Amino acid sequence: EAGVAQSPRYKIIEKRQSVAFWCNPISGHATLYWYQQILGQGPKLLIQFQNNGVVDDSQLPKDRFSAERLKGVDSTLKIQPAKLEDSAVYLCASSLDGRTGGYTDTQYFGPGTRLTVL
Amino acid sequence: AQTVTQSQPEMSVQEAETVTLSCTYDTSESDYYLFWYKQPPSRQMILVIRQEAYKQQNATENRFSVNFQKAAKSFSLKISDSQLGDAAMYFCAYRSALGSQGNLIFGKGTKLSVKP
Repeated sequence: EAGVAQSPRYKIIEKRQSVAFWCNPISGHATLYWYQQILGQGPKLLIQFQNNGVVDDSQLPKDRFSAERLKGVDSTLKIQPAKLEDSAVYLCASSLDGRTGGYTDTQYFGPGTRLTVL
Repeated sequence: AQTVTQSQPEMSVQEAETVTLSCTYDTSESDYYLFWYKQPPSRQMILVIRQEAYKQQNATENRFSVNFQKAAKSFSLKISDSQLGDAAMYFCAYRSALGSQGNLIFGKGTKLSVKP
């Protein structure tokens, strides 16, 4: 079974530029998550999708971050414009069904995208 | 709001020995899930073990076991017969059993080194 795929693995941009990250979850997984992991900290949830609908985006800085999950499969996360404090690893995860909290909610993570904002 | 605390930023263990990583959490909920994730330098978070709060029996997965103390809100991870491949960051995480939000709340992590 293929895991969660993310691209690019690394990205370096200047502040005020735009950047987009892509995630392809495990086939058949209805729930998709984007986490931000700042150096020295644990990941923090940015947004959770159930199929192509948003379940939780309470911690997403909506003035600069946006995310979509067209057709309930792949997802993109965009930052526009980027700030220095956005430097972090952006992790995508998926689970079979994140609504229940049971074993179907086990989250599988991708390798992440390391973003450096100069 | 729930919080997860890992008080050991770094730990070291000799190969083949046993090490215990600590985790405490704060919540007013009675039903929830707890996890330990491993993050090697490749950055991919790998699930090590999970525990349902309603289960009194401690979870075990091969060389990995937990000591879950619900009243004390403590959830430690024991790694037996440590191997070089166990070297990584270890994160403790909490998930509420309420509602449809699958938000994992992570601690800051413990960096484990394994000495040959």
